[in-house]
Amino acid sequence: GIQVEQSPPDLILQEGANSTLRCNFSDSVNNLQWFHQNPWGQLINLFYIPSGTKQNGRLSATTVATERYSLLYISSSQTTDSGVYFCAVSGTFNAGGTSYGKLTFGQGTILTVHP
Amino acid sequence: EAQVTQNPRYLITVTGKKLTVTCSQNMNHEYMSWYRQDPGLGLRQIYYSMNVEVTDKGDVPEGYKVSRKEKRNFPLILESPSPNQTSLYFCASSELAGAYNEQFFGPGTRLTVL
Repeated sequence: GIQVEQSPPDLILQEGANSTLRCNFSDSVNNLQWFHQNPWGQLINLFYIPSGTKQNGRLSATTVATERYSLLYISSSQTTDSGVYFCAVSGTFNAGGTSYGKLTFGQGTILTVHP
Repeated sequence: EAQVTQNPRYLITVTGKKLTVTCSQNMNHEYMSWYRQDPGLGLRQIYYSMNVEVTDKGDVPEGYKVSRKEKRNFPLILESPSPNQTSLYFCASSELAGAYNEQFFGPGTRLTVL
């Protein structure tokens, strides 16, 4: 099945700093999403971005599908940005996914923002 | 408000006592799915449903059952829960399965089996 690798595994920042999180995937995808898991365990949709670039406030994301990676940018980080950031992909049917529509998650990046 | 809801949000139970975790979505989505999240193992798919009366196994289906009698509901059934099913469970839905469909997740159900 498709493999998803996220880096870095851990990231510690001071409030106000900028950061870039990376997601590499091993095969063609038809869906790529970024999530933020808050301290209460909820998965918050950040971006649906199988290709291209999107921005939402202080967050932006870019996916280069042909090179099989995606980047999540966080600018002017705040303490409320703390949590785990997941990248999740769904492989194309022709890539041999065993469950059409299944999201394969990376292991996440644990972000801690200190005041 | 478009959303996926799960109930209960927290549950502590004992081994062998049958339980059901409900999942409902109000977006008229065809595709629904269950995942479990465990430390060190990440999120893994349990079962999914492409449409009413159509369900199939994901990566870790053992010990679980599902049904899809109505489009909006996709309950997860643990007939005889065991401690290794202690986990954080998420229900998800999307308009269609497959190409270019964003998935939306419920708030999660934290289950402890003693």
